[in-house]
Amino acid sequence: EPEVTQTPSHQVTQMGQEVILRCVPISNHLYFYWYRQILGQKVEFLVSFYNNEISEKSEIFDDQFSVERPDGSNFTLKIRSTKLEDSAMYFCASSDPGQGYHEQFFGPGTRLTVL
Amino acid sequence: AQSVAQPEDQVNVAEGNPLTVKCTYSVSGNPYLFWYVQYPNRGLQFLLKYITGDNLVKGSYGFEAEFNKSQTSFHLKKPSALVSDSALYFCAVRDALSGGYNKLIFGAGTRLAVHP
Repeated sequence: EPEVTQTPSHQVTQMGQEVILRCVPISNHLYFYWYRQILGQKVEFLVSFYNNEISEKSEIFDDQFSVERPDGSNFTLKIRSTKLEDSAMYFCASSDPGQGYHEQFFGPGTRLTVL
Repeated sequence: AQSVAQPEDQVNVAEGNPLTVKCTYSVSGNPYLFWYVQYPNRGLQFLLKYITGDNLVKGSYGFEAEFNKSQTSFHLKKPSALVSDSALYFCAVRDALSGGYNKLIFGAGTRLAVHP
């Protein structure tokens, strides 16, 4: 069964450093998303992406964040200058417009630790 | 504004007994409703969804959920719990009027503990 994959599974970085989280969505999906989950808190929407542009973003997704689909398979989230409060589990998701109702399939997540 | 409430932080149930995990929602239009499950150190796995039609929807692993429009609820149920059902369960909602790629709004999650 096709699935969303994410790398790395765990990323440790120093405050102020740039990180890139990578995702490979399900191959025929056209909508892509990033969510994050701070430890012990709810899953929060960050951004959705369709047709090579951002469709919607939350207030969390400020200028420090960017997304890109650099090729036909990868979808990346970049944090330019990490802060301690960026420490969280980051989930990538994708959905298929052919299913009509955009059930989102999630990857296993990348745990980001900012020191 | 869209929101989801899961009033119970934890639900404890004995193996073999029925379980219910509660969820209520608020959206401006018609809701699309989802349940996801998260096992330790794993991502979110889709369980079931309500879009339209029959209020009782069946999903993976024997789970089902009942949509109740008047009570704005979408409680997750299973007739007979298994120890392996122990996990974190998230209810999520999307507003049907908000476009094809709209965000999911998640509840805070309910930890289900099934004991032998």
